[in-house]
Amino acid sequence: DSGVTQTPKHLITATGQRVTLRCSPRSGDLSVYWYQQSLDQGLQFLIQYYNGEERAKGNILERFSAQQFPDLHSELNLSSLELGDSALYFCASSVATDRGWNEQFFGPGTRLTVL
Amino acid sequence: QKEVEQDPGPLSVPEGAIVSLNCTYSNSAFQYFMWYRQYSRKGPELLMYTYSSGNKEDGRFTAQVDKSSKYISLFIRDSQPSDSATYLCGGRKDTGFQKLVFGTGTRLLVSP
Repeated sequence: DSGVTQTPKHLITATGQRVTLRCSPRSGDLSVYWYQQSLDQGLQFLIQYYNGEERAKGNILERFSAQQFPDLHSELNLSSLELGDSALYFCASSVATDRGWNEQFFGPGTRLTVL
Repeated sequence: QKEVEQDPGPLSVPEGAIVSLNCTYSNSAFQYFMWYRQYSRKGPELLMYTYSSGNKEDGRFTAQVDKSSKYISLFIRDSQPSDSATYLCGGRKDTGFQKLVFGTGTRLLVSP
């Protein structure tokens, strides 16, 4: 158990819908990262938040957005869902400084299926 | 071209075999290199990381990085059925935001 929690575990929805994925980081970690994992693209970085502020963006679609709240939990919002958005979504957390090594601890993931 | 390339496998070996998992990368700015292990329906967990070129050993696992050829390797000695998982290699720059760039993962199957 990494200490990172994600809800829900599974989500099944229809095209065009909007969903919210939730992540609680490990105690003491200020940084949250969101990743998308699909069979063809592998594990891809979407976005990072540090202490409530957006820090970095990766290959995140405009239909997707995220935020980190004062209690440091984070939510990833996916809207106008398409079949291709079906994937595993992972949240990771770390202490996060700009230099040196900081292990990212991954949560168990949310499996999103868009029908 | 992906920044980190990895053969997806699956790689099937008998118990006790020495396993070699390999990746190549293209970003010369990468200084940290890591291997994450992911069991089926679980999140990735860090196995090992190295800084710059060289070897690092941890029990049955050895990570090797050759920056001149942009090659990342993981060796598993005396492989066990419990090593059956997907292994993700990745790289990261030394400064700036902590973006990890991963390969697609190699699925390893160790049969008893």
